Amino acid sequence: GENVEQHPSTLSVQEGDSAVIKCTYSDSASNYFPWYKQELGKRPQLIIDIRSNVGEKKDQRIAVTLNKTAKHFSLHITETQPEDSAVYFCAASNFNKFYFGSGTKLNVKP
Amino acid sequence: DVKVTQSSRYLVKRTGEKVFLECVQDMDHENMFWYRQDPGLGLRLIYFSYDVKMKEKGDIPEGYSVSREKKERFSLILESASTNQTSMYLCASRPTGRTPNYGYTFGSGTRLTVV
Repeated sequence: GENVEQHPSTLSVQEGDSAVIKCTYSDSASNYFPWYKQELGKRPQLIIDIRSNVGEKKDQRIAVTLNKTAKHFSLHITETQPEDSAVYFCAASNFNKFYFGSGTKLNVKP
Repeated sequence: DVKVTQSSRYLVKRTGEKVFLECVQDMDHENMFWYRQDPGLGLRLIYFSYDVKMKEKGDIPEGYSVSREKKERFSLILESASTNQTSMYLCASRPTGRTPNYGYTFGSGTRLTVV
């Protein structure tokens, strides 16, 4: 089955700095890679996703890059704000099942 | 707005009890999933279902079973609760096929404590 590894487990940045979270996957058949944000006490919410036929996708301050050859994908958050503080999960899927990374706790210090 | 509703936000049960966690979605999604979330382990798939009366084991099905008698409802059953099943349980649903949004919609979660 698929194995998704996510790093770092915790990340602390100053407000306004950029944050990068990296994930690797093992199954070359995976073709869909969503990212979820989970605020404390709340449900995970989809924030951005990328399909395997695309190398990069951007939505305002967040972007995701995908390197299919190396089997890794990354989440980039620019100009971080305190409300970006949350746990972020990456996932990989080739049909219906999602395999999640272990999560990154992002702390944005004001 | 897609809604996935989990019937209980917090539950406290005794060891050995039979526990039912209920999940209902209102968007006619074919696929429903049960995950448990533990610190440092992320989300791990327990069971999923592609259709009514259909179920498949995920990565950690031991000690759990599921029921899907109606398309909108997917129940997780702990046959005999144990302390190592203390966790946050998340239900999710997703449509099948080519749709603009491939992602899961999650419920709010049920924090289960087994004492």
